Amino acid sequence: DGGITQSPKYLFRKEGQNVTLSCEQNLNHDAMYWYRQDPGQGLRLIYYSQIVNDFQKGDIAEGYSVSREKKESFPLTVTSAQKNPTAFYLCASSIDLATGTYNEQFFGPGTRLTVL
Amino acid sequence: QKEVEQDPGPLSVPEGAIVSLNCTYSNSAFQYFMWYRQYSRKGPELLMYTYSSGNKEDGRFTAQVDKSSKYISLFIRDSQPSDSATYLCAMSAENYGGSQGNLIFGKGTKLSVKP
Repeated sequence: DGGITQSPKYLFRKEGQNVTLSCEQNLNHDAMYWYRQDPGQGLRLIYYSQIVNDFQKGDIAEGYSVSREKKESFPLTVTSAQKNPTAFYLCASSIDLATGTYNEQFFGPGTRLTVL
Repeated sequence: QKEVEQDPGPLSVPEGAIVSLNCTYSNSAFQYFMWYRQYSRKGPELLMYTYSSGNKEDGRFTAQVDKSSKYISLFIRDSQPSDSATYLCAMSAENYGGSQGNLIFGKGTKLSVKP
């Protein structure tokens, strides 16, 4: 089955801890994205990557970091510098402009992060 | 003025009703318009994708784009309880902010279809 997987489904973090959220896709998509969703806030872009070994900050990148060492993987680290990390985190991917419609983003099932 | 406005609802309708969901936007550069359905505690699922103005139909769903009014709509015919979810509109422009493919989302409308 082709798709996007995120793990874990639920994650609990203590104050001052860094945690890493996993995102893997087997759709052969070039572009990958991380969003944060808060109640009543809609989706806000944290980071995105259009090709391997390259990524760009989104609207709310402070306190987060990413890497893109492989095409199929785009992990997100929530650092202790993120002051309000409790949220629902969504990973998405899309085909790059070079090969097709890049606007159609497909989402994973999400990770719910709670700070204790 | 926010870039994309969407009434959060909640919207409650009886089974079989026609549902109309809407978004307005301010950036005339937007050309790509999408509707996503999101069930509680799940990731959004792409429902409809349209480019520029016009209508697109897929089964019980019809998406309309009116670029002159900066207004998009999603119609659901013969609504079912399984349609109960939050519906998100999303849109983008080519090279928006220098970042191809970045979507701007509405906050979502919560729909409840009662049996």
